[in-house]
Amino acid sequence: GESVGLHLPTLSVQEGDNSIINCAYSNSASDYFIWYKQESGKGPQFIIDIRSNMDKRQGQRVTVLLNKTVKHLSLQIAATQPGDSAVYFCAAVIQGAQKLVFGQGTRLTINP
Amino acid sequence: EAQVTQNPRYLITVTGKKLTVTCSQNMNHEYMSWYRQDPGLGLRQIYYSMNVEVTDKGDVPEGYKVSRKEKRNFPLILESPSPNQTSLYFCASSWGRRGYEQYFGPGTRLTVT
Repeated sequence: GESVGLHLPTLSVQEGDNSIINCAYSNSASDYFIWYKQESGKGPQFIIDIRSNMDKRQGQRVTVLLNKTVKHLSLQIAATQPGDSAVYFCAAVIQGAQKLVFGQGTRLTINP
Repeated sequence: EAQVTQNPRYLITVTGKKLTVTCSQNMNHEYMSWYRQDPGLGLRQIYYSMNVEVTDKGDVPEGYKVSRKEKRNFPLILESPSPNQTSLYFCASSWGRRGYEQYFGPGTRLTVT
């Protein structure tokens, strides 16, 4: 199977600073990873994904890094804004499987 | 507007009273899935469906049923709800068969007393 864990359940950063949220996975056969953002009272929202043949992917203000050697991925959010306050989940898909396995989430709080 | 809708959004019921939570998507997605979200446990998959009439168990299927008679709808059925099914439920859908980039509904908060 697969288990996905986030290193910190909560993270507080100052507005304007960069945030880094970390995630570890257990199964080396995982070949696709997604980061989701969940705001209070809403369903998770797709942020960015990365396949195992890549080690970095950039979006708007977000970057995902994948280190397959240590089975670790991170989500970097640049110049955090109040609207970035949410719970962030990483999820992994095992090659050949049909489902996502989610981590437990990191709650990101942006301090003014 | 592309979206996944769930009904009801909130439900309080009693043990043993059958209920159905509906899920509908307007994006012509093949893949649909149900999750439950509990504090400290994250999102856990209950059932998923890769297409009409094709469903399979996720990680926590006990006490739940699903059906996929139409591509757009994927109802979750609790035949005899119990208090341990009190949770926040999300329906999701995506293109393709592997659940890539799933679009989530707004959630259904269920309380079973």
